[in-house]
Amino acid sequence: DIQMTQSPSTLSASVGDRVTITCRASQSISSWLAWYQQIPGKAPKLLIYKASTLESGVPSRFSGSGSGTEFTLTISSLQPDDFATYYCQQYNSYPRTFGQGTKVEIK
Amino acid sequence: EVQLVESGGGLVQPGGSLRLSCATSGFSFSTYWMTWVRQAPGKGLEWVANINKDESEKYYVDSVEGRFTISRDNAKNALSLEMNSLRVEDTAVYYCTRGDAWHRRWGQGTLVTVSS
Repeated sequence: DIQMTQSPSTLSASVGDRVTITCRASQSISSWLAWYQQIPGKAPKLLIYKASTLESGVPSRFSGSGSGTEFTLTISSLQPDDFATYYCQQYNSYPRTFGQGTKVEIK
Repeated sequence: EVQLVESGGGLVQPGGSLRLSCATSGFSFSTYWMTWVRQAPGKGLEWVANINKDESEKYYVDSVEGRFTISRDNAKNALSLEMNSLRVEDTAVYYCTRGDAWHRRWGQGTLVTVSS
């Protein structure tokens, strides 16, 4: 199985900060990676797929990059609605696997 | 409007069985792969199983292989997950999601609690 490792596990930041979350795959997954945002008590929301394609309706302050084994999710200017947990997910092979999550907290 | 509505969760004893259902509407169900994802209380997301359009392909995470069975009824636009030999570690919110690769649409989830 492909292991997905996110860093950091928790991130404290302020409104307006630039935030970067890293996701590393245990083997190459090309660009077969998605990012999700989850607010407590809610279902995950798709932000990015194919590593860098922004989902329709998602604000442009979110961006994704990377290929192979290393990927990043960047929020250019953190907004109050962005305090949540973020997950990466590979869909290169079965079983699909998620990272353990990165919680973005208010500093 | 696309809707996915899970049902069938509840409290079950270890070793017991439960069948989850996902009723869908607002899209052409028979043309999409469908997936179950779960989330244990306070934990991260875990991919569980998925199924292709005509049930000819099914994939499972190792921890549920042989105990869980995913199925679909394209005539009723419904997805199911039959869960047998349930373990305490199967306790989670189970989400029904559309798609095989990335998941644009999710249900609200149904809670399964395995406890004596």
